[in-house]
Amino acid sequence: GESVGLHLPTLSVQEGDNSIINCAYSNSASDYFIWYKQESGKGPQFIIDIRSNMDKRQGQRVTVLLNKTVKHLSLQIAATQPGDSAVYFCAENRGYGQNFVFGPGTRLSVLP
Amino acid sequence: EADIYQTPRYLVIGTGKKITLECSQTMGHDKMYWYQQDPGMELHLIHYSYGVNSTEKGDLSSESTVSRIRTEHFPLTLESARPSHTSQYLCASSEAGDQPQHFGDGTRLSIL
Repeated sequence: GESVGLHLPTLSVQEGDNSIINCAYSNSASDYFIWYKQESGKGPQFIIDIRSNMDKRQGQRVTVLLNKTVKHLSLQIAATQPGDSAVYFCAENRGYGQNFVFGPGTRLSVLP
Repeated sequence: EADIYQTPRYLVIGTGKKITLECSQTMGHDKMYWYQQDPGMELHLIHYSYGVNSTEKGDLSSESTVSRIRTEHFPLTLESARPSHTSQYLCASSEAGDQPQHFGDGTRLSIL
């Protein structure tokens, strides 16, 4: 079936380095994507979103890239900090009236 | 800032008990959701609502039920809890189905 998935279940990076978290999706009808961050003991929190008419969107220290050709989404975090340690989920929306589908998540660990 | 509230945060209870997990939001959102999430794993949609008097089953079959009598309130009920119900339950709301969801911090449920 069609699904959203992540290439890496865990990612460890040195503090100060850049992090890249990847997400694959298989439904070409998906037109809206969101990255969420979930810290321990908390619910997921919105980080950044992108619509299918864009390839790139930047926020504060975060950039989301969308490659519709290969159905790939990535989240880049610049100068990773200890506070970035969390599980990151991508979510896709497959069109008007559809619910979001969440991927399995990637745990980001920031090493001192 | 917490505009969506879940109670209790933690619940340990014996098999066979009736349980109601509370969820309230102050944002006036029409759409609300319940997800089941094992620690660090993906989110599975179990129920959602388009608005007052609307309830729908999600992608993951669940023995729980929900109600939506008021816009701000979306409780989830388990009539007879079993150990297989042990999990984290996350509530969320959004302005519309294709808008980012705001999540509560979850209820961690343990059935003995």
